[in-house]
Amino acid sequence: GAVVSQHPSRVICKSGTSVKIECRSLDFQATTMFWYRQFPKQSLMLMATSNEGSKATYEQGVEKDKFLINHASLTLSTLTVTSAHPEDSSFYICSASSPIRSSYEQYFGPGTRLTVT
Amino acid sequence: QKEVEQNSGPLSVPEGAIASLNCTYSDRVSQSFFWYRQYSGKSPELIMSIYSNGDKEDGRFTAQLNKASQYVSLLIRDSQPSDSATYLCAVTAPPSVTGGGNKLTFGTGTQLKVEL
Repeated sequence: GAVVSQHPSRVICKSGTSVKIECRSLDFQATTMFWYRQFPKQSLMLMATSNEGSKATYEQGVEKDKFLINHASLTLSTLTVTSAHPEDSSFYICSASSPIRSSYEQYFGPGTRLTVT
Repeated sequence: QKEVEQNSGPLSVPEGAIASLNCTYSDRVSQSFFWYRQYSGKSPELIMSIYSNGDKEDGRFTAQLNKASQYVSLLIRDSQPSDSATYLCAVTAPPSVTGGGNKLTFGTGTQLKVEL
């Protein structure tokens, strides 16, 4: 149980293009999903928190117009990196939680490695 | 001051030994505590969660929490080479404090190496 998938697992795009990453909770309904970014040899940095049906809450320093988050259903959230630049190259990881399932535990997807050339 | 602190390591232990990983946190209202394991190039995997003072055991893993000292630890018994990974300590505060959403604050992780 508590399986979270992400797609794609790896993407290479050209500078200036946009990339969409999907995050799905496969066997539970996720009231809250989180998006993280991890640079090499660094810890996870929370980018934003999204609740189903409402606007995402972005962490300080994260550009909401650049990183568009949509949480349209209880099993799907998407992160779109708009006008990507090489400095956006990173490992993007989503997680999902549900208070019904277990208080405050977050289950992570396998991550998406983005390379912007 | 970092909110969640861990020794970056690497912590090297021989196979079969007990590995002890430590974590301190700064926010006294923190309520939930987690240990995640992350292999190189992979995403974190939940190992243990602990919510109240004392010990919690699950197989070879034991989490220990001391809220008075703001300290949480993870013991791995009979360490195996497959336990070699980075172990991340994570802490949440009540939703009313964080503004909602059960946000996790991660430490920078401790790299564990189990040697044959």
